[in-house]
Amino acid sequence: GAGVSQTPSNKVTEKGKYVELRCDPISGHTALYWYRQSLGQGPEFLIYFQGTGAADDSGLPNDRFFAVRPEGSVSTLKIQRTERGDSAVYLCASSPVGTPNSGANVLTFGAGSRLTVL
Amino acid sequence: AQRVTQPEKLLSVFKGAPVELKCNYSYSGSPELFWYVQYSRQRLQLLLRHISRESIKGFTADLNKGETSFHLKKPFAQEEDSAMYYCALNTNAGKSTFGDGTTLTVKP
Repeated sequence: GAGVSQTPSNKVTEKGKYVELRCDPISGHTALYWYRQSLGQGPEFLIYFQGTGAADDSGLPNDRFFAVRPEGSVSTLKIQRTERGDSAVYLCASSPVGTPNSGANVLTFGAGSRLTVL
Repeated sequence: AQRVTQPEKLLSVFKGAPVELKCNYSYSGSPELFWYVQYSRQRLQLLLRHISRESIKGFTADLNKGETSFHLKKPFAQEEDSAMYYCALNTNAGKSTFGDGTTLTVKP
């Protein structure tokens, strides 16, 4: 597609429920990232994929959070037993591989999925 | 651990005035720094990166390793520059640490 696509754009759920957020990256971008942005703060790194595998998941806050990218394209962020503190905008980004001079490491962001846990 | 500090939450200038958005970082390795911008009702997008050493929309930023700074500057601000600006430090591939942002308002 033309850009990074995220669905749903808004999700309201109740405490304790399970949520899935989907990201469709730019075609050809092998690197995919999930960030979380709380009100008044900058994006916070969660996890990054290189192809199908999670290259770095050090930002996932706890084991309620999990992400997959089974075919190296679309990714799903899964949150179990949601808590009110999980409310935030979840941002997905993708980037091409290569050298920094060629544009690698430059993040192209989606519009985000706003999660509200009541 | 790496850290990015943007000391100003809000910055307001008049059209035509110079503007400087401050960014300081702490990182023990070789830094790769970016400025991202989010205009009203738009996505977060790249403005510029230090490796390119280019001017985008009249903005420039110089990496000062001695002062661990990467301040964003524009000599003559325009109303369309009003936006939220984030400084980001890349430490591994696209894993970036972001500052908490500065909201720039350019008044007519």
